[in-house]
Amino acid sequence: DAGVTQSPTHLIKTRGQQVTLRCSPKSGHDTVSWYQQALGQGPQFIFQYYEEEERQRGNFPDRFSGHQFPNYSSELNVNALLLGDSALYLCASRGQVGTGELFFGEGSRLTVL
Amino acid sequence: DQQVKQNSPSLSVQEGRISILNCDYTNSMFDYFLWYKKYPAEGPTFLISISSIKDKNEDGRFTVFLNKSAKHLSLHIVPSQPGDSAVYFCAAFRDSGYALNFGKGTSLLVTP
Repeated sequence: DAGVTQSPTHLIKTRGQQVTLRCSPKSGHDTVSWYQQALGQGPQFIFQYYEEEERQRGNFPDRFSGHQFPNYSSELNVNALLLGDSALYLCASRGQVGTGELFFGEGSRLTVL
Repeated sequence: DQQVKQNSPSLSVQEGRISILNCDYTNSMFDYFLWYKKYPAEGPTFLISISSIKDKNEDGRFTVFLNKSAKHLSLHIVPSQPGDSAVYFCAAFRDSGYALNFGKGTSLLVTP
């Protein structure tokens, strides 16, 4: 049973570029959330997708957008990259409903130069 | 604003002793509190949780205590093992919402 998988694991971009990160949830899970973890910080909620729609969004600008596909996989897109977007981007799929338990992938490490 | 706070960035404990990791929160509406453990180059993994209607939850060597009046929870690890060395994140959740609110984490080092 594959867990949450993310790609790519590492990538380097320059300011102003755009990036797309990909996530496949744990088998049988239909809800995907994205989190940003900056250095020395805890993960910060970006948004959650369910039934191909964004259900809730954290305090992130519109440069951050996402998509969920019919097979429940998801993409996170970030436009007009800033140096401050350098972080570990974590994808999570939901475990037991209503408890907050999430299964996280290993993350995509984005470096913006 | 930071609704979940972990004020100790690091903790060092000898193998076999008790590790106590602390967490404070500001929002009394949280319904669940969770602890996640993170090793380098891996995503966080769920460790243990507690409902806001409980004051203690135990799972093997791990026990979480919740003090609602003080808006404080703690994770006890007894006995501590070198493999417990990791960053521990406290998180809180409202069952009417979708987001986990995380603290900044505490790096635990268990020395032989």
